[in-house]
Amino acid sequence: SAVISQKPSRDICQRGTSLTIQCQVDSQVTMMFWYRQQPGQSLTLIATANQGSEATYESGFVIDKFPISRPNLTFSTLTVSNMSPEDSSIYLCSVQDSTDTQYFGPGTRLTVL
Amino acid sequence: RKEVEQDPGPFNVPEGATVAFNCTYSNSASQSFFWYRQDCRKEPKLLMSVYSSGNEDGRFTAQLNRASQYISLLIRDSKLSDSATYLCVVNIGRGSYIPTFGRGTSLIVHP
Repeated sequence: SAVISQKPSRDICQRGTSLTIQCQVDSQVTMMFWYRQQPGQSLTLIATANQGSEATYESGFVIDKFPISRPNLTFSTLTVSNMSPEDSSIYLCSVQDSTDTQYFGPGTRLTVL
Repeated sequence: RKEVEQDPGPFNVPEGATVAFNCTYSNSASQSFFWYRQDCRKEPKLLMSVYSSGNEDGRFTAQLNRASQYISLLIRDSKLSDSATYLCVVNIGRGSYIPTFGRGTSLIVHP
């Protein structure tokens, strides 16, 4: 199994600002994903982070709002841009191994005032 | 219709009870299936994969019915520590296989 860390674990931000969340994996993985989980809801996939190319975004999510970097096979960042209170959520990164099993980071709890 | 659907519950059962959850999926081009467990304020963690032939892990049994496009999770002899949200995950083929989560089923096991 993969061990994943995320930074920061939580943050409180002012509206209009941006926050970059980092995700570090202890091994090289091909598939890495970013999810959002709002209170009482299930996980919503934001995008697949592709190494060396632009991320693949799901319907309802755009690069200008959620730019993603994936410079190598062990690291990715998600930026939440021009934040509003509606962006308050838990943001999770995950990786998928060769058996399609996913492993999640501990999440970043974001509150936008 | 959502791609992966679950009854959100909550299921409120006494210790020792047997409880079953179902999850339906709409895309027949689905490759792999999982049950995850999520405790309050924690990230989801893999409970078990679901194989075509069905599989069992202690008190937990998972089954897949491709013809009817659903998977199930059976928990026998429920423990207080089983209280959590159980998430159904289906890897759906859309070019590549994308993991898609159900909204989760809440289980509360009481003394």
